[in-house]
Amino acid sequence: AQKITQTQPGMFVQEKEAVTLDCTYDTSDQSYGLFWYKQPSSGEMIFLIYQGSYDEQNATEGRYSLNFQKARKSANLVISASQLGDSAMYFCAMRANFGNEKLTFGTGTRLTIIP
Amino acid sequence: NAGVTQTPKFRILKIGQSMTLQCTQDMNHNYMYWYRQDPGMGLKLIYYSVGAGITDKGEVPNGYNVSRSTTEDFPLRLELAAPSQTSVYFCASSYSTYRGTGIFPTPDEQFFGPGTRLTVL
Repeated sequence: AQKITQTQPGMFVQEKEAVTLDCTYDTSDQSYGLFWYKQPSSGEMIFLIYQGSYDEQNATEGRYSLNFQKARKSANLVISASQLGDSAMYFCAMRANFGNEKLTFGTGTRLTIIP
Repeated sequence: NAGVTQTPKFRILKIGQSMTLQCTQDMNHNYMYWYRQDPGMGLKLIYYSVGAGITDKGEVPNGYNVSRSTTEDFPLRLELAAPSQTSVYFCASSYSTYRGTGIFPTPDEQFFGPGTRLTVL
């Protein structure tokens, strides 16, 4: 079974500062993918970034990067130069790559950017 | 492309009533999913489908049924609504492209619909 743990229920960050959202995972699968989704107050789920378990480089997408430490089973999301529009819930999720397309989600972190 | 669309956006049901949540995608995705999100929680998988005519249970299937007669549509049926089914329901779809190509799969993120907020009183 897969499990995602997000230990920060809420975070407050000053605008323009960088922020790290923590995510640890547990799986017995050798090949898997890790995802981060953003859920603004409007409710939709927005895909941010993906990291494959065999990817040697940390994934980056604009201001988002994923600090992937496989041995520690962590996949932290780093947002550089935070903006007011980054205020939202952030969910970490994982999926085994073979025989299982299902995403397992963490409980989320509510990020609030302070002007 | 409209992406993933869901109807209705909001619905209030009485205990014991039934309803169908509609989900349609126009991206020709083979995989479709239904999740529920309870307040303050992450999403939990109810049912999923890997293609037309094929469905399987997720983590929390009790009280729900699904069908997948076409690639585009994946309706979720609640037969006897209960207060425990008060939640926000998300439909999602994705396209799997990596099977059989080795150990470096192509990432295929799930695209989500806007959600249906259901209250059972």
